[in-house]
Amino acid sequence: QVQLQESGPGLVKPSQTLSLTCTVSGGSISSGDYYWSWIRQPPGKGLEWIGYIYYSGSTYYNPSLKSRVTISVDTSKNQFSLKLSSVTAADTAVYYCARDDYPKGDAFDIWGQGTMVTVSS
Amino acid sequence: EIVLTQSPGTLSLSPGERATLSCRASQSVSSSYLAWYQQKPGQAPRLLIYGASSRATGIPDRFSGSGSGTDFTLTISRLEPEDFAVYYCQQYGSSVYTFGQGTKLEIK
Repeated sequence: QVQLQESGPGLVKPSQTLSLTCTVSGGSISSGDYYWSWIRQPPGKGLEWIGYIYYSGSTYYNPSLKSRVTISVDTSKNQFSLKLSSVTAADTAVYYCARDDYPKGDAFDIWGQGTMVTVSS
Repeated sequence: EIVLTQSPGTLSLSPGERATLSCRASQSVSSSYLAWYQQKPGQAPRLLIYGASSRATGIPDRFSGSGSGTDFTLTISRLEPEDFAVYYCQQYGSSVYTFGQGTKLEIK
């Protein structure tokens, strides 16, 4: 059974770069049927898709965040990572990694438990 | 970008009742790319419905999805206590995913 687990600092200073990693267990990140996404949820608010990566390294980002986002993949470690630069308090959120199941119409069928990231000095 | 608007914002019902949640898109969405999720406090969202009407693995048959074009519906036929949560619709189009703002289903 595939599981996802986010890891990274829970506190980031304004103007710095937020860095998170998602480790995939129970399956290979190199499976061709899936894309791997980052999604965030500010406290008490809704969900916002940040971007995805395919195991080959191809990416696509939310246009509203594109200038600040980099998503990368390490297939040898079965991990993918998020970097969000120049963070502000508005980037405070629970960050989820999720599997995008292409055969299921690109629905997010598996999610990590989420990790809370607070942007504060 | 396609905007999804969910209604109502909050729905107050009793266990055993039928729940009908709406998701309206700002432009036509392919039914293949419309999904519904359930989220409970402190938990990640859980996929309920994909392709507008297909239940995800392990989802009880009291959950059903329908709709096409710009209007989609999630129906819970008989509410169980564990169904009270926030529900989100989500679409994928032109390489961008968007979510509705959510409907909170609360116990009356």
